[in-house]
This record gives sequence, structure tokens and C-alpha cells, in this order.
Amino acid sequence: AQTVTQSQPEMSVQEAETVTLSCTYDTSESNYYLFWYKQPPSRQMILVIRQEAYKQQNATENRFSVNFQKAAKSFSLKISDSQLGDTAMYFCAFMNDNDMRFGAGTRLTVKP
Amino acid sequence: GAVVSQHPSRVICKSGTSVKIECRSLDFQATTMFWYRQFPKQSLMLMATSNEGSKATYEQGVEKDKFLINHASLTLSTLTVTSAHPEDSSFYICSAEGLAGGPFEQYFGPGTRLTVT
Repeated sequence: AQTVTQSQPEMSVQEAETVTLSCTYDTSESNYYLFWYKQPPSRQMILVIRQEAYKQQNATENRFSVNFQKAAKSFSLKISDSQLGDTAMYFCAFMNDNDMRFGAGTRLTVKP
Repeated sequence: GAVVSQHPSRVICKSGTSVKIECRSLDFQATTMFWYRQFPKQSLMLMATSNEGSKATYEQGVEKDKFLINHASLTLSTLTVTSAHPEDSSFYICSAEGLAGGPFEQYFGPGTRLTVT
């Protein structure tokens, strides 16, 4: 079964600084998707960024970018120019045809 | 880490029938469970929040009579899609939140893929 590991339960960053959230996963498959979701206290899940495994180019969405290392099975999220509104839980997730697996989450706090 | 299971993992049903999806916390007591539905490009929408022994709280726009949620025990919540239609075909994910030796932590199930024909 696939597993997703987020080794940083909590992180903090100063406003306007850059922070990187780590995520590793384990799978024997070659085709899959990887995601980062942001979860505010409302428990909504906001898709931050997605990456198709077959694409070598790292996905980027405005201030959010990933470092996808397929061989190392690593999928870290970089948030540039951190804003107070970025404070939330962040979940890394893996998905194939059969199921979806989430990491345990990283609680990010952006400090003014 | 804590484990959350969903059953079934895949289900195909005919239009007009009802289907029940179970979400179980296997090694902890879940005070709260959440149900999500996946939309195109894998966005996730929170459908409802359920607390053991009380009525579920549905998000705006979610039909509570169509998506019946029951949180019968601290380890089990069920989502019943009633009178299913093809547009209900989707990937449904639950998560469970419980006290795990510290602050509340949330764990996700592997999802259930529903196909309505």
C-alpha cells in the first residue's frame, strides 16, 4: 500500500520569508498524482498544487512551487513571500486509480 | 499513525438505488468525522461534519436528504447516497479526528470511488 510521510508536524516562518514543507511517499507505481492541500480551521481542503508523476517539470502556482524528485519519492512544497493568510494545516497527498493517501499534516504558522 | 478505513473501496450502482459508504477509525476514537467529495482536477469539497451521537452539519449546497450521514459510534460514520444519479459519481473521502495523546489530529481514509450507471 502507498504511504505518505510528512515529518514536520509544525513549522513557523516570518512573514515575507520562504518556507519549505517536506513530504515523502512510497509506491511501486509509475503513474500517479501528488497534491498539496491547505486546510483552514473550517476543515475545507483547498488544493494548493498538483503534480502528475509523468511530468518532470516541477509544478508552480504563484508563490507555491514544488520540488518533485521522483526517484527519491520526495515532493516538497515551497512557499515564497509567506503571508499571514498562509497559516493553516498543509496535507501532502498521493493518488492513483485505486485510492488516495494523505500525510499526517504540517501545521504552518506565519508570524508577523 | 492512526488508521482510517473506508468500505467499499469501489462501488458501482444503478441510477435510482442507494449506496452506503462506511468510514472507520481502527485504532482510535474519532470524536468528529468529515466527509469530502472530489471534483475535477482533484479539488476536494467538504460535504459535512459529523459528531458521534448528533446530527451531521452539512455545508452549504449539500443536500442532506440525499447524502445521509450517520455517526453511530466513536469509530464508525456512514454516508448513504440515496437515489443515486450519474452526477453523483465521484471519489468520496472521509477523515476522522480524535485525541491522539495530544492535540486533535486528523486522519484520512483511502477513499471510495462511486460509479452510478
